[in-house]
Amino acid sequence: NAGVMQNPRHLVRRRGQEARLRCSPMKGHSHVYWYRQLPEEGLKFMVYLQKENIIDESGMPKERFSAEFPKEGPSILRIQQVVRGDSAAYFCASSPPTKGGYEQYFGPGTRLTVT
Amino acid sequence: SQQGEEDPQALSIQEGENATMNCSYKTSINNLQWYRQNSGRGLVHLILIRSNEREKHSGRLRVTLDTSKKSSSLLITASRAADTASYFCATHTSGTYKYIFGTGTRLKVLA
Repeated sequence: NAGVMQNPRHLVRRRGQEARLRCSPMKGHSHVYWYRQLPEEGLKFMVYLQKENIIDESGMPKERFSAEFPKEGPSILRIQQVVRGDSAAYFCASSPPTKGGYEQYFGPGTRLTVT
Repeated sequence: SQQGEEDPQALSIQEGENATMNCSYKTSINNLQWYRQNSGRGLVHLILIRSNEREKHSGRLRVTLDTSKKSSSLLITASRAADTASYFCATHTSGTYKYIFGTGTRLKVLA
């Protein structure tokens, strides 16, 4: 059973470009979380999605950031017009389709560098 | 700001010694989880303790939870160099979907 997969592992974008980060949850998992981690810091919650639904996006900046988890295919975190401050590691986690409170399985992360 | 705060922020010990990390939080929780993160990697789940539990063990790990003090501790006994990593607590509150992560403790175990 493959774990949570994220790609790309490393992404370099110039200021103003778009970044697309992908996350494929573990098989059978329908809950996906996105987190951002700055160097030497903890993870900050961004958004929680179920298939075709955004359940909680309270941690996501109102502008330039969006997330989706379509019926088919991976979850996508999209950052438009990237700025240097967007440079961080972005982690995706998935959990089983039960109501909260279970362990999360994390992907290896995507390290975004904005030049 | 993050709900969970770990202390110490950094800890350096000799192989074979025990390592204790603490996590404090602010609101009522459903459960608290501890994760490990090796440098440059994703997080690995270590242990989950529910709000009605006081202590849990898993191998060399021992976790305690004191809901009256809103705090938890993670004890790693007989530490090994391979335990070198950052350790995070994460809290989950009933009725929400969020997991709130603490700021982490960076543990270094010297061989």
